[in-house]
Amino acid sequence: DVKVTQSSRYLVKRTGEKVFLECVQDMDHENMFWYRQDPGLGLRLIYFSYDVKMKEKGDIPEGYSVSREKKERFSLILESASTNQTSMYLCASSLRGVPGELFFGEGSRLTVL
Amino acid sequence: QQQVKQSPQSLIVQKGGISIINCAYENTAFDYFPWYQQFPGKGPALLIAIRPDVSEKKEGRFTISFNKSAKQFSLHIMDSQPGDSATYFCAASRAGTASKLTFGTGTRLQVTL
Repeated sequence: DVKVTQSSRYLVKRTGEKVFLECVQDMDHENMFWYRQDPGLGLRLIYFSYDVKMKEKGDIPEGYSVSREKKERFSLILESASTNQTSMYLCASSLRGVPGELFFGEGSRLTVL
Repeated sequence: QQQVKQSPQSLIVQKGGISIINCAYENTAFDYFPWYQQFPGKGPALLIAIRPDVSEKKEGRFTISFNKSAKQFSLHIMDSQPGDSATYFCAASRAGTASKLTFGTGTRLQVTL
């Protein structure tokens, strides 16, 4: 069974802290994504990666960075967390050449105080 | 800039009724239109998808209707069941961007007994 695992389901951080959100997939997928989900706004793409060490900005990259050192792992980094980054963060992966079929993790709910 | 507009935001349907969710897009380069289903506490999962070369696709009780000239597509859930209660997202992607999806804002469906 395919699986995307987000290591932290719930996090509470303080303003200004550095935050790491980790995502691991076991499907040997080339593509990995970080989305943010907010009520009334749907899912918005933060960053994505088509290959190891490769990254591209999505629609809302400001305040975020990513790292992909290994094919199976994609990390989202908040260099200095702010209250407006309180949200649900969803990681997803997909196979190259299979359009639109994303496999999502269960999400990481981040609260920044 | 909302490239995929989804309505309604929420929907209540009686068991056995038809649930209809609508989406409209602006970018004529979009060529793949999936629908995702998300249950509370879970990540979204692919439900059904369509390409613009067909006007309708049916899988069990779920049907996508596609109107290319109007740049609209909709999800119909026939004989709606309480187990269908979830949040539904439409999405779109364009050729050459692999699985990079632009999502709608979501519709929270509640099916009552």
